[in-house]
This record gives sequence, C-alpha cells and structure tokens, in this order.
Amino acid sequence: GGIITQTPKFLIGQEGQKLTLKCQQNFNHDTMYWYRQDSGKGLRLIYYSITENDLQKGDLSEGYDASREKKSSFSLTVTSAQKNEMAVFLCASSLDRGPSQNTLYFGAGTRLSVL
Amino acid sequence: QQQVRQSSQSLTVWEGETAILNCSYENSAFDYFPWYQQFPGEGPALLIAIRSVSDKKEDGRFTIFFNKREKNLSLHIKDSQPGDSATYFCAATGNYKYVFGAGTRLKVIA
Repeated sequence: GGIITQTPKFLIGQEGQKLTLKCQQNFNHDTMYWYRQDSGKGLRLIYYSITENDLQKGDLSEGYDASREKKSSFSLTVTSAQKNEMAVFLCASSLDRGPSQNTLYFGAGTRLSVL
Repeated sequence: QQQVRQSSQSLTVWEGETAILNCSYENSAFDYFPWYQQFPGEGPALLIAIRSVSDKKEDGRFTIFFNKREKNLSLHIKDSQPGDSATYFCAATGNYKYVFGAGTRLKVIA
C-alpha cells in the first residue's frame, strides 16, 4: 500500500498572501492532481501532472500555480489569497498517465482559511 | 455547466433501510463511473465503480444500477448502518476528463 501526505493540514493566510501547499505520494504513481473542495460544489480540478515537470490546467487553474519537480511530489501555490476564502485542497494520485478509468487515491486535505 | 449532477445534497435514512443516491451525467463520452466515500476530516476513497458496458455492479451491501440510455445511475446501500454516514461523490471519467458531482451527505440514524 501507499500513502499521500499533504502538508500543512491547516493553513491560515492573510488576504493577498502567496501560500504554498505540498503533497507527497509513495505509490510511485505517474499522475498527480490538485482538487479544490467547497461545500455544495464537489471537487473541482485545479491542476494535474502526468509526469515529472509536466503541468496540465484544470477547470479552476486561475489564481493558482503548480509545480512537479519530482515524481513523488506535487505542490500548489495560491498566488494571492482572497479575503474570507475557505476551502479544502485535496491532492490525489493515479497509476496511469492522465485521467482515465483509474482509481484516484486522495490525501486527507489542507484546510485553508483566509482572514 | 455541471456535467455530473447528484440529485440530493443530503439524505437521511434509518438504520436497516436501503439508502438510494442518484446521479446523472451529460457527456456521452464518459465510460467509467466510480463512487467515492468521504468521512469528515479524510480524503475521498473509492467505494465501488461501474463501466458503461454493465448495468449493475454489486459489492456486498453496495450496488450501482446504471442506465446508459437515460444517462443516470444510482448507488443503493442495503441495510444501512450508522457507520455508512458519510458524503458520497458520484464521478464520471472518459475522454481524458474525470468529473465529480457535488456530493450527497448521507446520515444513517440508529
């Protein structure tokens, strides 16, 4: 088995601040994803990466940057935190390259609050 | 646009009843439909999935019924237990897309 570790678990930021969320997986999976979870809106894809140094935009990429320097890690940067923003950011990985008939394995999430 | 729609935001059933969670989709290119279960404070985890060539998939107390012509599916949880209380996400994949519904929060009362 493997695990996805997201750090930090909780993140409190100030309006306009640049914030970075990190994700590590030890499944040796090719593809990694960042999703944003808002109450009542489900999971929306921000970025995904099918291999090291690859980046693909999802439906919600505006306001975010991502980086995949190693196969095992994928980081997400909120470029300018929005006041009163509250969401859970979920990292996931899957075996094959790109979205397909694959199981996504999720981390426990980073809970962001912006003051 | 919402490509995957779950008809109920929340559902409450008594212990022992069958909980039925409904989902519909728009894109005919979707060919794989997983359901994910999420407990508070955790990430979603795959519960059960069906491919579009099948109309039913069963795994213990959990069954997916799939109607390709109507583009809808449902998750049936037989003999619901309080431990089944969680949020359930219907998802659809195909053509390099993996789309989630908004989720149904299920509460099972003992």
